[in-house]
Amino acid sequence: GAGVSQTPSNKVTEKGKYVELRCDPISGHTALYWYRQSLGQGPEFLIYFQGTGAADDSGLPNDRFFAVRPEGSVSTLKIQRTERGDSAVYLCASSSTGQGGSYTFGSGTRLTVV
Amino acid sequence: AQSVTQLDSQVPVFEEAPVELRCNYSSSVSVYLFWYVQYPNQGLQLLLKYLSGSTLVESINGFEAEFNKSQTSFHLRKPSVHISDTAEYFCAVSGPGTASKLTFGTGTRLQVTL
Repeated sequence: GAGVSQTPSNKVTEKGKYVELRCDPISGHTALYWYRQSLGQGPEFLIYFQGTGAADDSGLPNDRFFAVRPEGSVSTLKIQRTERGDSAVYLCASSSTGQGGSYTFGSGTRLTVV
Repeated sequence: AQSVTQLDSQVPVFEEAPVELRCNYSSSVSVYLFWYVQYPNQGLQLLLKYLSGSTLVESINGFEAEFNKSQTSFHLRKPSVHISDTAEYFCAVSGPGTASKLTFGTGTRLQVTL
């Protein structure tokens, strides 16, 4: 597609529930990133994919967070047993090379855990 | 590890006035530097970047930033702002060999008024 698409744009869930956030990157972009932006903060790195594999998952806060990219295109960020502290905007970005930091970001998914 | 400091959380300015948004970074290795902009209800967009070469970089809409290694700064400037420049501006840093994992500052809200 023309840009990075993230769905849903908003998600409200109850504490303890499981959620999936989807990212559809720009066609042909091999590098895909997930970031999390809490209120009043800058985005924080979660995980980086190069193709199908997670090249760097050092930003995932704990084992409740997991992400996949099985065919090297669409990626899903999965959060188990959600907590109120998980509330944030989850941003996805893609890049053709994974170098130089020139990403195209999606508009994000606003997750609210109540 | 790298870090970014944006000391000004908000910068109010009148239209057609000059503006400077400050960014300082900390890193033990050579860095790449970026400014991203987030307009209301939109995703992050790359404004400009410094990878190597000339320390003064410019964007297409009149912003410029200068990489100052001795002061570890990458301040963003515009000689005359417009109402449409109202947005959140994020400074970010990455290092070679970190697969372009960006570390963002907390952002500066530029509010342009008549």
